[in-house]
Amino acid sequence: AQSVTQLDSHVSVSEGTPVLLRCNYSSSYSPSLFWYVQHPNKGLQLLLKYTSAATLVKGINGFEAEFKKSETSFHLTKPSAHMSDAAEYFCVVINSYGNKLVFGAGTILRVKS
Amino acid sequence: DTEVTQTPKHLVMGMTNKKSLKCEQHMGHRAMYWYKQKAKKPPELMFVYSYEKLSINESVPSRFSPECPNSSLLNLHLHALQPEDSALYLCASSQDKQREVYNEQFFGPGTRLTVL
Repeated sequence: AQSVTQLDSHVSVSEGTPVLLRCNYSSSYSPSLFWYVQHPNKGLQLLLKYTSAATLVKGINGFEAEFKKSETSFHLTKPSAHMSDAAEYFCVVINSYGNKLVFGAGTILRVKS
Repeated sequence: DTEVTQTPKHLVMGMTNKKSLKCEQHMGHRAMYWYKQKAKKPPELMFVYSYEKLSINESVPSRFSPECPNSSLLNLHLHALQPEDSALYLCASSQDKQREVYNEQFFGPGTRLTVL
């Protein structure tokens, strides 16, 4: 079965410094992977998706993620954090039938001024 | 239009009330989903509709009753809820797996439900 593990429940960075949110996946085949962001009391917004076309995926708001099969990782990065990036981030894999999302536990990103 | 809308934004109900949550999308998606999200937890899948037919029920109690009147609308009827059902209820949609391999889901803003 597919699963994802988000390695940090909380990450704190200063505004203007790089962001790294870590995600490892487990899948018996080439997975479809996503990062979603959720601001407080809001729905989830798709940041980016990996669909095997390219290992470096660029998303919205300056975020990108690199798919590394050898490390079974899909870490989310951003060169310079902004206060508006403070939110919860979910790493997600889709199941083999394509009809269920399997969520990681989430990482809360705090951005300090 | 790339938006999923949900109404109401907030709902407070007693344990004997009957209420409904509404979700709408106009992206031509043929799969629609209901999720329940408790504080500081990821969303939990409740129901999946594919081509207006219920395809997945994740063993949800019968006090939650989904309905898909057409390809753009999804309702969740609520009756005799318990206080522990208080949560953020999220609707999502995606292209059906038969036509789209990658199936990212687009989420609405949610309905914050409080059961007294």
